[in-house]
Amino acid sequence: GQQVMQIPQYQHVQEGEDFTTYCNSSTTLSNIQWYKQRPGGHPVFLIQLVKSGEVKKQKRLTFQFGEAKKNSSLHITATQTTDVGTYFCARSGRDSANFGNEKLTFGTGTRLTIIP
Amino acid sequence: DGGITQSPKYLFRKEGQNVTLSCEQNLNHDAMYWYRQDPGQGLRLIYYSQIVNDFQKGDIAEGYSVSREKKESFPLTVTSAQKNPTAFYLCASSHQGVLNEQFFGPGTRLTVL
Repeated sequence: GQQVMQIPQYQHVQEGEDFTTYCNSSTTLSNIQWYKQRPGGHPVFLIQLVKSGEVKKQKRLTFQFGEAKKNSSLHITATQTTDVGTYFCARSGRDSANFGNEKLTFGTGTRLTIIP
Repeated sequence: DGGITQSPKYLFRKEGQNVTLSCEQNLNHDAMYWYRQDPGQGLRLIYYSQIVNDFQKGDIAEGYSVSREKKESFPLTVTSAQKNPTAFYLCASSHQGVLNEQFFGPGTRLTVL
């Protein structure tokens, strides 16, 4: 299937340290979406990247899409306790089993915990 | 107040019983999705629907069934055929096309005893 590998699975950082999660694919991605899920909550959309080499920023969060469109990263500068949660990347793709309908395939997520 | 709602938040059932999880949205979205999330894992797609009266199996559809009789509603039935039904179930909706962000409901945590 059209899987995306996400690393690391877990990350523990001291408050104020930086954090990065990576999303990798063996095939070219048409786009990549990032979601955040707080503990006990539901995923919330953060951003979508579409263009090769694209970089987008949201305050302390920086999202990158690789030049070859096979990987993406999310970097958080100077983490805060509000950053705790699991970060998922998701790729879109045609569902070959269902007449080419498009669907999202989520990565396994990176769970970020902050040590105050 | 626009959004997507799921009920109930927690659900307990005995093994062998079918159970239906509710998902309603008033965002006027065409597409709706059901995902399953197990502890420490990502989201796996169960079923999705791009339009009323049509739906497709996702990656783990066995033991589940859905209906899409109304645009606003996409209920999921967990049947007794589902071997490991205990999980966190998330419903989502979006405008048609996966270039659009998905909006998630709060989820239903199902425990089968």
